[in-house]
Amino acid sequence: AQSVTQLDSQVPVFEEAPVELRCNYSSSVSVYLFWYVQYPNQGLQLLLKYLSGSTLVKGINGFEAEFNKSQTSFHLRKPSVHISDTAEYFCAVSDTGFQKLVFGTGTRLLVSP
Amino acid sequence: NAGVTQTPKFQVLKTGQSMTLQCAQDMNHNSMYWYRQDPGMGLRLIYYSASEGTTDKGEVPNGYNVSRLNKREFSLRLESAAPSQTSVYFCASAARRATNEKLFFGSGTQLSVL
Repeated sequence: AQSVTQLDSQVPVFEEAPVELRCNYSSSVSVYLFWYVQYPNQGLQLLLKYLSGSTLVKGINGFEAEFNKSQTSFHLRKPSVHISDTAEYFCAVSDTGFQKLVFGTGTRLLVSP
Repeated sequence: NAGVTQTPKFQVLKTGQSMTLQCAQDMNHNSMYWYRQDPGMGLRLIYYSASEGTTDKGEVPNGYNVSRLNKREFSLRLESAAPSQTSVYFCASAARRATNEKLFFGSGTQLSVL
């Protein structure tokens, strides 16, 4: 079975600073990896996904993530955050054969002026 | 563009009451899902339906039942609500498989069981 660990429950950062949200997964088989974002009082939206190919994945709103198989990580990065990036971010993993995604516990990104 | 529509948005129940959460999608998606979101626990899958006519248990199915009424609609029923079922419930859909495709989420139902 797969599992996802998001070590940081909350990450405070100043506007225009870079940010990295960490995600580690465990799986004995090949995986697909995702980052979803949840703005206040809304459902989740897909930011980006890694299925295969290049390990650097670019998503919406200037976010990118790098798949590192040896470290079983899929950290999310943005070089310069904006106030509007304040949200909760969820990493998710699936076995390539499964119907189901397993979500991490989420990281709340708090961007202040 | 309606996408995934959930009703109701808010609900308060007394312990032992029953209710059904409704979900409908207008994107002709095959797969539909019910998740619950609790603080510090992320999203946990309750039930899913890979296609019309099929349903399967997820991670936390106890206390819930589901019906895939047709391709558009996937309802979640609490037969006898318990305080442990206080949560935010999200319905989601995907064109085929959530494992390699984008999940589209509804805006959620906030349920309180007293």
